[in-house]
Amino acid sequence: GAGVSQSPSNKVTEKGKDVELRCDPISGHTALYWYRQSLGQGLEFLIYFQGNSAPDKSGLPSDRFSAERTGGSVSTLTIQRTQQEDSAVYLCASSLRAGGPTDTQYFGPGTRLTVL
Amino acid sequence: AQSVTQLDSQVPVFEEAPVELRCNYSSSVSVYLFWYVQYPNQGLQLLLKYLSGSTLVKGINGFEAEFNKSQTSFHLRKPSVHISDTAEYFCAVSSGGYQKVTFGTGTKLQVIP
Repeated sequence: GAGVSQSPSNKVTEKGKDVELRCDPISGHTALYWYRQSLGQGLEFLIYFQGNSAPDKSGLPSDRFSAERTGGSVSTLTIQRTQQEDSAVYLCASSLRAGGPTDTQYFGPGTRLTVL
Repeated sequence: AQSVTQLDSQVPVFEEAPVELRCNYSSSVSVYLFWYVQYPNQGLQLLLKYLSGSTLVKGINGFEAEFNKSQTSFHLRKPSVHISDTAEYFCAVSSGGYQKVTFGTGTKLQVIP
């Protein structure tokens, strides 16, 4: 079956512009995670959803970042008024359910965001 | 709360030598443990996981890991590495109750010819 998909694969934007990143999880997966990976750095947790609810938004770096998930499926990560430090690869992952043995994460290929 | 510690940020090793990548976790409840691998310019993929049962878990590409509850460790091992094993390896822990998965900071394995 289809894996996790993300779009766009690459996004170049100017400082101050808003961007939207999209994630399509594996069908039937109720948990969805967003991570950020800056150049040469590890994974930085941003937010996760269980269904349409976001029990943990603690990783969002500022109020310029927001995410939503509708219909328990597609999720959109929005960054407003982008800054150069937002440049990174944004990874999305999904799993059957958050927490426990079914939380094997399947990752998408990522969106590489470059803010000029 | 759960946490994962990967003490080694980088591990250089010669080709065909054995390697061990260390992972320690903390959690107050039962845990489920994972190792993921990220090859250069690629996404993460699952290498192996421990859910229950045998404490020795075998994964893809000849890797294995041993769950040690008393030492709260889940170290990853391979008896003989190949150049193609050069990648970053992430340990992760999951508990019950809809808590999110927690990843370690990653260990970069550099295989030297």
